[in-house]
Amino acid sequence: EAQVTQNPRYLITVTGKKLTVTCSQNMNHEYMSWYRQDPGLGLRQIYYSMNVEVTDKGDVPEGYKVSRKEKRNFPLILESPSPNQTSLYFCASSSGGQGFEAFFGQGTRLTVV
Amino acid sequence: GDSVTQMEGPVTLSEEAFLTINCTYTATGYPSLFWYVQYPGEGLQLLLKATKADDKGSNKGFEATYRKETTSFHLEKGSVQVSDSAVYFCALSGGSGGYQKVTFGTGTKLQVIP
Repeated sequence: EAQVTQNPRYLITVTGKKLTVTCSQNMNHEYMSWYRQDPGLGLRQIYYSMNVEVTDKGDVPEGYKVSRKEKRNFPLILESPSPNQTSLYFCASSSGGQGFEAFFGQGTRLTVV
Repeated sequence: GDSVTQMEGPVTLSEEAFLTINCTYTATGYPSLFWYVQYPGEGLQLLLKATKADDKGSNKGFEATYRKETTSFHLEKGSVQVSDSAVYFCALSGGSGGYQKVTFGTGTKLQVIP
């Protein structure tokens, strides 16, 4: 079954404690991205990757890091989380190009206290 | 930069009512347009799409037509069901940010009551 898998689904952490949210896709997609979803703001792109070792900033990259060492994996790293990073996070992948849809993971609800 | 504007929600309708959710966009070039749906506790999934002007996307009774002259992509359904209750997002790609950049609207929550 084609899918994007994120882990964990829920995470509560303390300010400043480094964390990683994993994302894996099994569709051999070249393009992967991370979004955060906040009430009244919709989805905002954090980082994206067009292929292995190729990453770029989205609209709200501050406080986040990513890496793309393998085609299927695209982890999101918060080196020093802060309460304003409390949000619902989604990973997505697609083939890229005109009209290709994005496939989304189930989401990770992060709370930073 | 690119932007997508959706009507504010929530929208509450009775079952079998007609649905319209307005979406307008600002983008350079010839973007592709999408509607995604998010059911409670789940990720987004593609509902329908259109890749060029005058294209009509359709799926599960929902329709939307790519109107370049009015820069709009309104979502419609003739008769909604309780199972259509969800959050609907209008989105575009292929504008100034290229096809790797997807810009979403803020989402419109739809609640259908029996």
